[in-house]
Amino acid sequence: AQSVTQPDIHITVSEGASLELRCNYSYGATPYLFWYVQSPGQGLQLLLKYFSGDTLVQGIKGFEAEFKRSQSSFNLRKPSVHWSDAAEYFCAVGPAASKLTFGTGTRLQVTL
Amino acid sequence: EAQVTQNPRYLITVTGKKLTVTCSQNMNHEYMSWYRQDPGLGLRQIYYSMNVEVTDKGDVPEGYKVSRKEKRNFPLILESPSPNQTSLYFCASGYEQFFGPGTRLTVL
Repeated sequence: AQSVTQPDIHITVSEGASLELRCNYSYGATPYLFWYVQSPGQGLQLLLKYFSGDTLVQGIKGFEAEFKRSQSSFNLRKPSVHWSDAAEYFCAVGPAASKLTFGTGTRLQVTL
Repeated sequence: EAQVTQNPRYLITVTGKKLTVTCSQNMNHEYMSWYRQDPGLGLRQIYYSMNVEVTDKGDVPEGYKVSRKEKRNFPLILESPSPNQTSLYFCASGYEQFFGPGTRLTVL
C-alpha cells in the first residue's frame, strides 16, 4: 500500500527566505504526486502535480517541486517566501489521481 | 466561475439523526470524491465516484453512504451519525481534485 510522510509538522521561515517542504513516499511504481495548500478555514488548492516527464515541476504562486525517484521524495520549494504563504501544505501520492493518500501536513509560519 | 459547493458549511447534530451533506460541481467532471480531515491524520478518502451510478469505497467508508444519480451532485449520507464522525468534510471534483470549502460536522 502507498504511504506518504511529511516529516516536518511545523516550519517557521522569515519572509524573503527560501523554503523547502519535505515529502517522502512509499509506492512500488512511479506514482501520481501532488502538493496542495490549505489556508485557514479554506479548502485545499492544488499547487502542482507530477505524473511523468520532467522531474522538476512548476506550480502556481512561484512554487516548484522535484521528483527524485532514487530518494522517493517530492519536495516542495520556493525561493522567496511571502507572508501570504503561511498555510498548511499537504503532499499526496497515489497510483491514480482517483486514489490519493495524503500526508499529515506541514504548517508553515512566516515571520516578518 | 468553476466551483464546488457544499452545504451546509457547519452542522451540529445528535447521535443517530440521519443527515446529508450535499456537494455540487459545475465543471462537468466525471470524478468526484469525499474526504474527512482530522488533526494529525491529514485527509482520508471516504468514497469516490468515477461517473454517474459508479461509486467505490475509499479508505474510511464505514458509517457513510453516497449516491451519484447525476454528474453534478455527489451527496454524502450519514444514516446514523456517531461522535467519532465529528470532523471536517471535503468534497472534491475532477482528477486534479478541486476542493469544496468544507463542512464542519459535530455529532453530540
